[in-house]
Amino acid sequence: QKEVEQNSGPLSVPEGAIASLNCTYSDRVSQSFFWYRQYSGKSPELIMSIYSNGDKEDGRFTAQLNKASQYVSLLIRDSQPSDSATYLCAVKPDYKLSFGAGTTVTVRA
Amino acid sequence: EPEVTQTPSHQVTQMGQEVILRCVPISNHLYFYWYRQILGQKVEFLVSFYNNEISEKSEIFDDQFSVERPDGSNFTLKIRSTKLEDSAMYFCASSEYSSEYEQYFGPGTRLTVT
Repeated sequence: QKEVEQNSGPLSVPEGAIASLNCTYSDRVSQSFFWYRQYSGKSPELIMSIYSNGDKEDGRFTAQLNKASQYVSLLIRDSQPSDSATYLCAVKPDYKLSFGAGTTVTVRA
Repeated sequence: EPEVTQTPSHQVTQMGQEVILRCVPISNHLYFYWYRQILGQKVEFLVSFYNNEISEKSEIFDDQFSVERPDGSNFTLKIRSTKLEDSAMYFCASSEYSSEYEQYFGPGTRLTVT
């Protein structure tokens, strides 16, 4: 069983719409959860961290965590062409980050 | 804003050669990591390092790999005898006080083994 699974995508949304990304994880001891953005050929860039159940908002991004369901999501509101990237869900059960395969988002102008 | 730096940005080497990838973590960070990403695949953990010793390593991090903090600023990954399958992007990351904190990634070194 994969440790971190993300909806496969690609996800295409019109400019100004909401992009919704989902992630599930298998290791129940995980306490730290992160969303990274990765542009093609570049390194992962941290955009959100979440540690407690519920929602966390930062600008146009909202992360949601449900530990009972082992589920993390990311909403991108008012999507812009510059949001076109691969979004990586990462879970931290111990020292290391375990990454999902990523969901590629394309924002259509 | 402080950032993790890595050199070189691209390294080409022949199979069987040794390579050293270098990283300068963010200055007040105490935890250091190496990850790799084979083209088209997910980011994979290699090793974590704290207080001058390895705190965790993955199955990928076998005897051909080693890490070192030779001075107060650099953190290196050495691959002793490179194989074709070592071709990947190698990312260094660092985090602040404890393993629960956010990890910030450097720009990566693209290693090509021919």
